Amino acid sequence: QVQLVESGGGVVQPGRSLRLSCAASGFTFSSYAMHWVRQAPGKGLEWVAVISYDGSNKYYADSVKGRFTISRDNSKNTLYLQMNSLRAEDTAVYYCARDKAPELRFFVAPGPFDYWGQGTLVTVSS
Amino acid sequence: QSALTQPPSVSGSPGQSVTISCTGTSSDVGSYNRVSWYQQPPGTAPKLMIYEVSNRPSGVPDRFSGSKSGNTASLTISGLQAEDEADYYCSLYTSSSLWVFGGGTKLTVL
Repeated sequence: QVQLVESGGGVVQPGRSLRLSCAASGFTFSSYAMHWVRQAPGKGLEWVAVISYDGSNKYYADSVKGRFTISRDNSKNTLYLQMNSLRAEDTAVYYCARDKAPELRFFVAPGPFDYWGQGTLVTVSS
Repeated sequence: QSALTQPPSVSGSPGQSVTISCTGTSSDVGSYNRVSWYQQPPGTAPKLMIYEVSNRPSGVPDRFSGSKSGNTASLTISGLQAEDEADYYCSLYTSSSLWVFGGGTKLTVL
């Protein structure tokens, strides 16, 4: 079965960096676009970033553009989120999620988020 | 502020039906059918319940249904059960805004 396991969260000071990882199993990782979605404590969901199945295309929410970088290693079935210049408002549970549309279909008709990890908490505080 | 507007809360008794709305504009909900709905019980990750307005992934009970009229998408849960108590979020993909979520609706089963 599809499994997504995030790691790398923790407490970090404002202005510092953190890298999140998401280990995938149970499906052909290299065939699917992957997303990061976050949820601030007691708040709603916010889409953060997406990377295409082959890593050739990346898109970001305006709130993180220029500070966060999404990447993937298909040989390791792992998704990453490099977070730099962290701010208090980046405090959230970060979920990785799979896009339902496989391979090239993602570019024509992006899917919903059909599988989610359990999330990892990032706290930005001095 | 979310681009998609949901009621903060809805409630219903077991066996009843409830509908959660997700309102956008003619430029987003009114123009795109890539509306999805997610269920998030307390302390857990979201789960996909409906995609492309009205499609159910395998394993989702047929008590859950989706629809759209004009600029408003809706999730209807019929035969309400205690286990349906959760937060529900709508989401929309558009080529201009990419992925956006509604603010979420807390469903209470009385």
